[in-house]
Amino acid sequence: GAVVSQHPSWVICKSGTSVKIECRSLDFQATTMFWYRQFPKQSLMLMATSNEGSKATYEQGVEKDKFLINHASLTLSTLTVTSAHPEDSSFYICSAMASGKETQYFGPGTRLLVL
Amino acid sequence: AQSVTQLGSHVSVSEGALVLLRCNYSSSVPPYLFWYVQYPNQGLQLLLKYTTGATLVKGINGFEAEFKKSETSFHLTKPSAHMSDAAEYFCAVSYNTNAGKSTFGDGTTLTVKP
Repeated sequence: GAVVSQHPSWVICKSGTSVKIECRSLDFQATTMFWYRQFPKQSLMLMATSNEGSKATYEQGVEKDKFLINHASLTLSTLTVTSAHPEDSSFYICSAMASGKETQYFGPGTRLLVL
Repeated sequence: AQSVTQLGSHVSVSEGALVLLRCNYSSSVPPYLFWYVQYPNQGLQLLLKYTTGATLVKGINGFEAEFKKSETSFHLTKPSAHMSDAAEYFCAVSYNTNAGKSTFGDGTTLTVKP
């Protein structure tokens, strides 16, 4: 149980385009989802916390207009990187957590490369 | 505020040897503690967690960790390393009033030599 998927697993796009990444909880209802960014050989950096049906809470320094998060259902959250630039290239990981639980379950990650 | 310190960014052991990965935390309230493993180009997989109760917790793949409140530690151990244990390991802390937000350590790269 507690499986989280991400799609796509990797994406290459041109500078200036927008990219949408999906995060799905496959066998449980995720009231909260988290979006992380991870640079090579570094730890996870929390970007935002997404609660179903409400606006995402962004961490300090993360541009909410740049990284649009939508948590429209209890099994799906999306992260859209708008007007992507090469510096946005990174590994993006989501996690999902059920209501009243303390454990996050992580997706496999999405590698984004902006040319 | 909560924080996590993983001592040793790289640990190298021989196959069959004891694995010890260190994690110390600071938290103003009782913590929830987690160990995750990450293989290249993959997400994080939960190894084990401590929330309440027994301070020695057992996880997958033969790993275990002991919560020591007096030492504010949650070190990860495995009696005998296997080649497949080579990966990146992250310790994380959260607590029950922060909506699940976790603070992660910087990670420890485990290398297993044949």
